[in-house]
Amino acid sequence: EVQLVESGGGLVQPGGSLRLSCAASGFTFNTYWIHWVRQAPGKGLVWVSHVNSDGSSTSYADSVKGRFTISRDTAKNTVFLQMSSLRPEDTAIYYCTRGVNYFDAWGQGTLVTVSS
Amino acid sequence: EIVLTQSPGTLSLSPGERATLSCRASQSVSSSFLAWYQQKPGQAPRLLIFAASTRATGIPDRFSGSGSGTDFTLTISRLEPEDLAVYYCQHYGSSPGWTFGQGTKVEIK
Repeated sequence: EVQLVESGGGLVQPGGSLRLSCAASGFTFNTYWIHWVRQAPGKGLVWVSHVNSDGSSTSYADSVKGRFTISRDTAKNTVFLQMSSLRPEDTAIYYCTRGVNYFDAWGQGTLVTVSS
Repeated sequence: EIVLTQSPGTLSLSPGERATLSCRASQSVSSSFLAWYQQKPGQAPRLLIFAASTRATGIPDRFSGSGSGTDFTLTISRLEPEDLAVYYCQHYGSSPGWTFGQGTKVEIK
């Protein structure tokens, strides 16, 4: 069974940092692109970042560029999202998902709250 | 940057009725890169349709997708109570690579 399990969310003060993890299982991890997509409370889905299958290419939404860094550890079948200089508007559920043109498997999400 | 605009914002229908959801792109896009998702309350999104008209694994045949160019449609032929959800269209293109519409909420009367 394909599984993506996010962890690492929580409450953080503005300007703080947090690292999210996405643990993958049930599929050949090193053949899939992995993405982070977030959803602010009561709002829609917003793509955040991607890393390609071997980690050699990444991209970011303008809203997080320069503050977030995505990476992957093939040995651990895990993708990370290092988030720094967090702002209240980064408050959201962060989902990891896989795919290139579309996203065919999703984790359950992890909630990040940025507030003083 | 391609913008996807979904309409209507909310659709309220009775079980057994047909639901027609629209997704309009700000410029012509390849249908190969247009997908639809269902998000039920409190759950993660689920892929319904990819390449504009191909159902994902396990998706009932009452869900169908169509369209090309700038206009795409998700149709639910006979609504069931469990179809209560928000539906999103999504496109893969360039800069940013992936964009979502703002969603259409389907309510069941």
